Amino acid sequence: KNEVEQSPQNLTAQEGEFITINCSYSVGISALHWLQQHPGGGIVSLFMLSSGKKKHGRLIATINIQEKHSSLHITASHPRDSAVYICAVTDNQFYFGTGTSLTVIP
Amino acid sequence: DAGITQSPRHKVTETGTPVTLRCHQTENHRYMYWYRQDPGHGLRLIHYSYGVKDTDKGEVSDGYSVSRSKTEDFLLTLESATSSQTSVYFCAISEGTGGSYGYTFGSGTRLTVV
Repeated sequence: KNEVEQSPQNLTAQEGEFITINCSYSVGISALHWLQQHPGGGIVSLFMLSSGKKKHGRLIATINIQEKHSSLHITASHPRDSAVYICAVTDNQFYFGTGTSLTVIP
Repeated sequence: DAGITQSPRHKVTETGTPVTLRCHQTENHRYMYWYRQDPGHGLRLIHYSYGVKDTDKGEVSDGYSVSRSKTEDFLLTLESATSSQTSVYFCAISEGTGGSYGYTFGSGTRLTVV
């Protein structure tokens, strides 16, 4: 059983497109995290949120606690956004999604 | 992130040999974690530490042991490596547990057991 489900698993977009990655979870949480992993690279924390919306540059993360759902949006996508995006939720332990592999084509 | 380093970055070893991976932090965080990352799976917790000499098992701890003799170092040992332990291993650190604390991840160690 997966406590965290992400969709889509793979996503290809043209440069400039608006991108949405979804995350649903089944456990009670105190926070949700969006992480980014570039090919062969380490994992970087993008957002940690427990309600509402957060924005950082072209990235926007939203969460709906009642629906147990979060979305990560990328506006004006760029090839350098190509990476795996991982959703994780936490209460006293972390549960990780399997990631969404994003490829942005020039 | 400069506050956490993993070594080695890559390693190839033979089945049956012992292997130790090192995680070193300069943040003085209390919590340290070892995860493995495999295709089709989310990051899975192997072991974690909540202080010097205080460790506990995660969901995939079989075949692994850990030690933490200093705040800054958390070692992961494969006593007798098997091909199923071929994976990318990530260390993470955190000041605390619960929603108000974030994680910082190391750059990962790619281990291949042949």
